Amino acid sequence: DAKTTQPPSMDCAEGRAANLPCNHSTISGNEYVYWYRQIHSQGPQYIIHGLKNNETNEMASLIITEDRKSSTLILPHATLRDTAVYYCIVNTGNQFYFGTGTSLTVIP
Amino acid sequence: DTEVTQTPKHLVMGMTNKKSLKCEQHMGHRAMYWYKQKAKKPPELMFVYSYEKLSINESVPSRFSPECPNSSLLNLHLHALQPEDSALYLCASSRFGYTDTQYFGPGTRLTVL
Repeated sequence: DAKTTQPPSMDCAEGRAANLPCNHSTISGNEYVYWYRQIHSQGPQYIIHGLKNNETNEMASLIITEDRKSSTLILPHATLRDTAVYYCIVNTGNQFYFGTGTSLTVIP
Repeated sequence: DTEVTQTPKHLVMGMTNKKSLKCEQHMGHRAMYWYKQKAKKPPELMFVYSYEKLSINESVPSRFSPECPNSSLLNLHLHALQPEDSALYLCASSRFGYTDTQYFGPGTRLTVL
């Protein structure tokens, strides 16, 4: 039972913003949205998480819609090192539910 | 410091072998996790230890046996594995439990011949 859906792949030009969407239409009010990325065969790396409000840190911004049914991860100035699989996750407080991931390729 | 270490990085074993994977963290986290990840798939949860007690076992076959000797260390004992058990095995930890951010180790790439 998938809690999140993501596009399988996206391309982004180097230096441009990468906007990665995620749908989580069945999310409950106290469940967090998390984003991780995984560079080839390494462990997933934490990026950002949020509940209702938009969040920003040194890596990325997270925009959550008012109805909380979808979110967008924004990498403001993509570099070649941002090429990775990006996972949108719903944290129910009992388990992390991983999406199938978006493979982002940053093109020079 | 958000480092979780895993050893070995790579492991090749036969179906009759017994081996162990090791995971360590020194962040004072009280929850630790084992995940299994097949190629081009997201990680799948296998075990969760909270305060050194097994709290979730996602119906994993008994040929996988977890052990948490102390709050910093997590082992996964492997015995009589099958070739389909070949995968990347990831360890993670979080401060208290599922409500907290999980930090992952680099993984052990396991090949069963």
